[in-house]
Amino acid sequence: DSGVTQTPKHLITATGQRVTLRCSPRSGDLSVYWYQQSLDQGLQFLIQYYNGEERAKGNILERFSAQQFPDLHSELNLSSLELGDSALYFCASSGVAGTGGKNYGYTFGSGTRLTVV
Amino acid sequence: GQNIDQPTEMTATEGAIVQINCTYQTSGFNGLFWYQQHAGEAPTFLSYNVLDGLEEKGRFSSFLSRSKGYSYLLLKELQMKDSASYLCAGINDYKLSFGAGTTVTVRA
Repeated sequence: DSGVTQTPKHLITATGQRVTLRCSPRSGDLSVYWYQQSLDQGLQFLIQYYNGEERAKGNILERFSAQQFPDLHSELNLSSLELGDSALYFCASSGVAGTGGKNYGYTFGSGTRLTVV
Repeated sequence: GQNIDQPTEMTATEGAIVQINCTYQTSGFNGLFWYQQHAGEAPTFLSYNVLDGLEEKGRFSSFLSRSKGYSYLLLKELQMKDSASYLCAGINDYKLSFGAGTTVTVRA
């Protein structure tokens, strides 16, 4: 157990629907990052939050949004789903805003596998 | 951006050594990470280089040359369980940017 919890582990939904993915960071970590990994693709950075505020944005579609709550858990909302949105969605956390650290790195959750049919 | 390039696939024999190279644009990165990812699982942290040189950790070592935009991950005494994807990632502006990963297959 990495300490980063993602739910649900698997999600199957139809095109056009909306889903919410949830992430609880490791205890004490203030930063949460969301990544998308499509089949045979690398990890694509979507968005980062630090202590409740958006800190950095990557290639996140306008149909996608995220937020981080006062208890530091984060949610990634995906709407108007398309077949191409099928992917593994990972959440990662770190203790400070982006540095990771020498013996630290980013800690990843086990991911949510989203299948859009 | 900071394009990160690494080979797509490598194959090696159990007990051998494999070196996975990673090149990137030199501007912007504050450090370089290596992660291991088994299929369908989360990436797990292997190493982090912020200064030039070699960092050794058991069977795994990582090297960084910032001026050349070059890093490598060295896996020694390969075991079957080392079959996985190895991801090179640079950190910049509070986010990790990953390469596409190198799939290493260890054969008996």
